[in-house]
Amino acid sequence: YELTQPPSMSVSPGQTVSVPCSGDKLGEKYACWYQQKPGQSPMLVIYLDNKRPSGIPERFSGSNSGNTATLTISGTQAMDEADYFCQAWDSKTGHYVFGPGTKVTVL
Amino acid sequence: QVRLQESGPGLLRPSETLSLTCTVSGGSISTYYWAYVRQPPGKGLEWIAYIHNSGTTNNSPSLKSRVTISGDTSKNQFSLKLSSVTAADTAVYFCAYGSNWSYFDYWGQGTLVTVSS
Repeated sequence: YELTQPPSMSVSPGQTVSVPCSGDKLGEKYACWYQQKPGQSPMLVIYLDNKRPSGIPERFSGSNSGNTATLTISGTQAMDEADYFCQAWDSKTGHYVFGPGTKVTVL
Repeated sequence: QVRLQESGPGLLRPSETLSLTCTVSGGSISTYYWAYVRQPPGKGLEWIAYIHNSGTTNNSPSLKSRVTISGDTSKNQFSLKLSSVTAADTAVYFCAYGSNWSYFDYWGQGTLVTVSS
């Protein structure tokens, strides 16, 4: 099972960016998203398609339907500049799959 | 809050076996899911293996025959062994915890493992 993401996206401060993650019938699985800044460990920002862990700002939201899961950052701030990885679990094999990551640049 | 700390050799020679240990505090490995994920320098994340508190394990198909994951509840640690390493196994190795089968809530800080002769 494979997931695809665009290598990079840019956004102006205060604007909205939507990061797509595509996979075959991804909407039938649960997707999650991790934020990773340089030199740091990944941090879960969205789980079970659209749930935010405690401490994650409300400007982060998620959706998942059809073949695409989407991470949306509204009112993007400079601190949101990071790599974002989507991840799903393949119930047929029990394997975890990560997308290749999207570098979000706040210009 | 669950905290995880990886420990490992740092540098290995080709063909050796990598042994990593993840020490857990603030939680028990007798619950939920525990996994290893790696990240080659400048690249993306790759899931390696997981162990569930039931004892069930599963490995990445690309590494399956070289990987062993195990847990020691008495020490609240879980470990990874990766045999016959090559330069392609050079990466930062993370251990992670999942309260649900579909995602990882907490991650260790990662440990860099370099394979070089």
